[in-house]
Amino acid sequence: NAGVMQNPRHLVRRRGQEARLRCSPMKGHSHVYWYRQLPEEGLKFMVYLQKENIIDESGMPKERFSAEFPKEGPSILRIQQVVRGDSAAYFCASSPPEGTEAFFGQGTRLTVV
Amino acid sequence: DQQVKQNSPSLSVQEGRISILNCDYTNSMFDYFLWYKKYPAEGPTFLISISSIKDKNEDGRFTVFLNKSAKHLSLHIVPSQPGDSAVYFCAASPYSGGGADGLTFGKGTHLIIQP
Repeated sequence: NAGVMQNPRHLVRRRGQEARLRCSPMKGHSHVYWYRQLPEEGLKFMVYLQKENIIDESGMPKERFSAEFPKEGPSILRIQQVVRGDSAAYFCASSPPEGTEAFFGQGTRLTVV
Repeated sequence: DQQVKQNSPSLSVQEGRISILNCDYTNSMFDYFLWYKKYPAEGPTFLISISSIKDKNEDGRFTVFLNKSAKHLSLHIVPSQPGDSAVYFCAASPYSGGGADGLTFGKGTHLIIQP
């Protein structure tokens, strides 16, 4: 059973471009969470999704950021018009419906130049 | 305003001895607490959790203690092993149902186990 898969592992974007980060949850997991870690900081919650639904987006910046978890395929975190401050490690986690602990992926390191 | 604080950025412990990592929180609504371990360039790995209705939870070499009145929890690792060297994150949630919704993380403590 493969773990949570995130790709790409590293992503470099110029200011103003779009960044798309993908997350495939573990098999049987229908809950996906996105977290961001800035340098020297802890992880910060962004959004919690179930298939085709956003359950909690209280941590998402109001502009430029969006997330989806379609019926088929991976969850996508999309950042439009990236700025230098978006440079961070973005982690995805997944959990099964019955609410046991979540498993994290290895993260995508976004660098905005 | 940091709601979950890990005041020791790093901790060095001799192999075989006990490692004690501390965490303080300010939000009374937190109901569920977790510890994660993280190696460089990897995602956090769940270690152990505790619900606010308990004051202790044990799993092998790992024990978590919760003092609700002091808003303090600690992770004890005994005996410490070289593979325990990693960054440890304390996390808290207002939801008791597991998962990873709305977790608030501390900044982490880098544990170094000396041979």
